Amino acid sequence: EPEVTQTPSHQVTQMGQEVILRCVPISNHLYFYWYRQILGQKVEFLVSFYNNEISEKSEIFDDQFSVERPDGSNFTLKIRSTKLEDSAMYFCASFDSLNEKLFFGSGTQLSVL
Amino acid sequence: LAKTTQPISMDSYEGQEVNITCSHNNIATNDYITWYQQFPSQGPRFIIQGYKTKVTNEVASLFIPADRKSSTLSLPRVSLSDTAVYYCLLRDNYGQNFVFGPGTRLSVLP
Repeated sequence: EPEVTQTPSHQVTQMGQEVILRCVPISNHLYFYWYRQILGQKVEFLVSFYNNEISEKSEIFDDQFSVERPDGSNFTLKIRSTKLEDSAMYFCASFDSLNEKLFFGSGTQLSVL
Repeated sequence: LAKTTQPISMDSYEGQEVNITCSHNNIATNDYITWYQQFPSQGPRFIIQGYKTKVTNEVASLFIPADRKSSTLSLPRVSLSDTAVYYCLLRDNYGQNFVFGPGTRLSVLP
């Protein structure tokens, strides 16, 4: 089965630092997503991306966040100045529109100290 | 915004059949109903998907009544490894976004 790949699996950073989380979606998919999950809570939608632009974003996705697909392969989430409350597991997903299936990566655990 | 409601938690014993029902009263005509399974510290994993009536695959069955306002995930003969959180997922009414509810935490006991 095709896989969504995320790196790194764990990221520790100091408050106020910038982080970039990386994802390689499934190659023939067109819709990409970032979700996050704070420990013990539900999976929250952050942003969707289609045709090289943001399709929709949630209230969580404020000006500190940005997404990019720089080279047609990678899909990145940047947090410009991390806060303690950004500590969470971040999941990338890509969407198989033919079969209506979302495929998730294994996540990046971000810890902001 | 399509919203789903599920029981917060369920307990079962090994070998039993487990049925988890999700309510989605505002489901849109073009929405598929998809169920995902999530283990701790892992990404959600697709289990099964349907539009109406019944769908069965190698791991589960999905029952959807004619009005599509609910769906039931059926796991036959659960094992300890089926302990996980199960999410019923619909698309956001605005397009291709998928909104997770709190899910159902299934605990399978020996």
